[in-house]
Amino acid sequence: GENVEQHPSTLSVQEGDSAVIKCTYSDSASNYFPWYKQELGKGPQLIIDIRSNVGEKKDQRIAVTLNKTAKHFSLHITETQPEDSAVYFCAAREAAGNKLTFGGGTRVLVKP
Amino acid sequence: NAGVTQTPKFRVLKTGQSMTLLCAQDMNHEYMYWYRQDPGMGLRLIHYSVGEGTTAKGEVPDGYNVSRLKKQNFLLGLESAAPSQTSVYFCASIQDGNSYEQYFGPGTRLTVT
Repeated sequence: GENVEQHPSTLSVQEGDSAVIKCTYSDSASNYFPWYKQELGKGPQLIIDIRSNVGEKKDQRIAVTLNKTAKHFSLHITETQPEDSAVYFCAAREAAGNKLTFGGGTRVLVKP
Repeated sequence: NAGVTQTPKFRVLKTGQSMTLLCAQDMNHEYMYWYRQDPGMGLRLIHYSVGEGTTAKGEVPDGYNVSRLKKQNFLLGLESAAPSQTSVYFCASIQDGNSYEQYFGPGTRLTVT
C-alpha cells in the first residue's frame, strides 16, 4: 500500500516569514495530493490540492509543488500570519476505493 | 447543509465496554470513511464504504466493526474497548469514486480506561 512521510513534524516561524512542509510518497500510481489544515478541536479541512498532471498550483498565499519523478510534493505558505497556526497534513490518493493515505502531520506555530 | 456530523463528541469507556459512533452526512455522498488520529501518526483509515450496504477494511480494522444500512449514515462499533483504542475518531465522506475532496466531521474523542 501507499506510504506517506511528512517533514518536519513541528515548524515555528516568525510572522511574515515563509513556511515549507515536505512530503514523499511511495506508490507511483497515486494521482491526487491534497493538503489539509486542522485547527484545534476541529476536523481537517482541505486548503489546496494538486493532481498528478500538474507541477504547481497556487492559491493566494499558499502553493503546492509536485515532483512525480522524485515522488515528493511540498506546501509553501508565504507571508505567514498567526491564523496560519495549525496542524497541516499531506495525503496521497489511491484510486481503488478513493482512499487517502496521510502523512504524520506538521504542527505550525506562527509567532507574532 | 450540516455537512458531516458525528455523535457523540466525547466519550469515556471502561475496558471491555462497547459503544457505537454515529456519522451522518446530508450531501448525498456515496463514499464514507472512518479514521483514527493518534499523535504523530496522522489519520489512519479504519473502514470505509463505497455505497449503502457495502463496507471494506482499511489500514487498521482490528477491533472495529462498521455498518452502512442507510446511505447517509456510517456507524463504527467497538465491541470490547481496549486502552489502545483511545484516540480521536473522524468520519469523512466524498461524492463518489471520481471525486476528490473528502469532507470531515468534527471528530469524537474517545478515552478507554
